Amino acid sequence: EAQLVESGGGLIKPGGSLRLSCAASGFTFSNAWMSWVRQAPGKGLEWVGRIKSKADGGATDYAAPVKGRFTVSRDDSRNTLYLQMNSLNTEDTAVYYCSAVVLYSFRHWGQGTLVTVSS
Amino acid sequence: EIVLTQSPGTLSLSPGERATLSCRASQSISSSYLAWYKQKPGQAPRLLIYGASSRATGIPDRFSGSGSGTDFTLTISRLEPEDFAVYYCQQYGSSPMYTFGQGTKLEIK
Repeated sequence: EAQLVESGGGLIKPGGSLRLSCAASGFTFSNAWMSWVRQAPGKGLEWVGRIKSKADGGATDYAAPVKGRFTVSRDDSRNTLYLQMNSLNTEDTAVYYCSAVVLYSFRHWGQGTLVTVSS
Repeated sequence: EIVLTQSPGTLSLSPGERATLSCRASQSISSSYLAWYKQKPGQAPRLLIYGASSRATGIPDRFSGSGSGTDFTLTISRLEPEDFAVYYCQQYGSSPMYTFGQGTKLEIK
């Protein structure tokens, strides 16, 4: 059974940086396209970024609100997905989920990690 | 940018009733690119339907998806207590690559 476990969330001041991790198991991580999706408190879901498998070129894509500030990367030897977040602002406060993308949809989800940006 | 609009915002029904949730796209999208999710409070979303009408692994057959072009529907034939949750539609496109509807809350009447 596929399992995704996020970590690295916490309280960070505006302008700060944080790196989230997502440990994957139960599926062939190296073949998977992976994404981060976030959910602000009491709000809906917002896609953040995606990374293709290395076999498919490993390209990344980002949503406009985070482009240039966030970076998605992967370490297939560790079955781990990362989200480096820089220049954080209060609008980035959310639960961040990692997800495995299959056939244009988010097939598997982690439990999420909360990032709070506040002074 | 393709915008997904879900209706109604809140749907109040009783267990055993039929639920019909709508997702309308601002422009035509391929059925292959439309998915539905269920989210209960404090939990991660769960994929229900992909490709507009294919049920994900483990999803009961009381859940069905239909539609094409700009109008898509999620139907729950007979509501069970565990079905009361928030439902989101999602599409894959080009900038932004993935977008979600604002959600429909299905609550017990």
